[in-house]
Amino acid sequence: QLQLQESGPGLVKPSETLSLTCAVSGGSFSSGTSYWGWIRQPPGKGLEWIGSLHHSGSTYNTPSLKSRVTIFVDTSKNLFSLNLTSVTAADTAVYFCARQHSAYDRFFDSWGQGTLVIVSS
Amino acid sequence: DIQVTQSPSSLSASVGDRVTITCRASQHIANYLNWYQQKPGKAPKLLIFASSRFYGAVPSRFSATGSGTDFTLTITNLHPEDFATYYCQQSFNTLLTFGQGTRLEIK
Repeated sequence: QLQLQESGPGLVKPSETLSLTCAVSGGSFSSGTSYWGWIRQPPGKGLEWIGSLHHSGSTYNTPSLKSRVTIFVDTSKNLFSLNLTSVTAADTAVYFCARQHSAYDRFFDSWGQGTLVIVSS
Repeated sequence: DIQVTQSPSSLSASVGDRVTITCRASQHIANYLNWYQQKPGKAPKLLIFASSRFYGAVPSRFSATGSGTDFTLTITNLHPEDFATYYCQQSFNTLLTFGQGTRLEIK
């Protein structure tokens, strides 16, 4: 059974870089048509898609975060990562990693449990 | 970006009731609309993809329909475990967006 597990610091200072990793186990990561995504949820608010990538390295992300987002993959370790630069308090959220079914079926059918990241000095 | 607007934002109902949640897209999205259920402290769970197709073992009291810009999720005979927040998500293009959510509470 596919499992995804987020990891990373729970506290990041303003203006610094938020870095998270998602480890994928129990399924095919570097073959097949799946994409892999990051979604976040500020406390008490709704879901916001951040970006998605394929194991080949092809990525796309939300323009609302502009050039602050980098999503990259390490197929040797079956994981993908998120970097979000120049964070502010508005970036405080639970960050989820998830499997996107495919390039054209862009829904998320398997999710990690989420990790809370607080931006504060 | 394609915006998706859910209504209502919150809903109170009783066990056994029938409820309908609506999602409206800001432009035509064919059937590229998905529904998720989220319980407090948990990750969202995919219920419906492609407007009306069940994902996994979704109880038959759930149904969904729609095409173009207007979509609905209906739950009949509400069970206690159905009280949660529901999100729609459009996947028409690569700029994915979620609705703001509908919180379904016990009356």
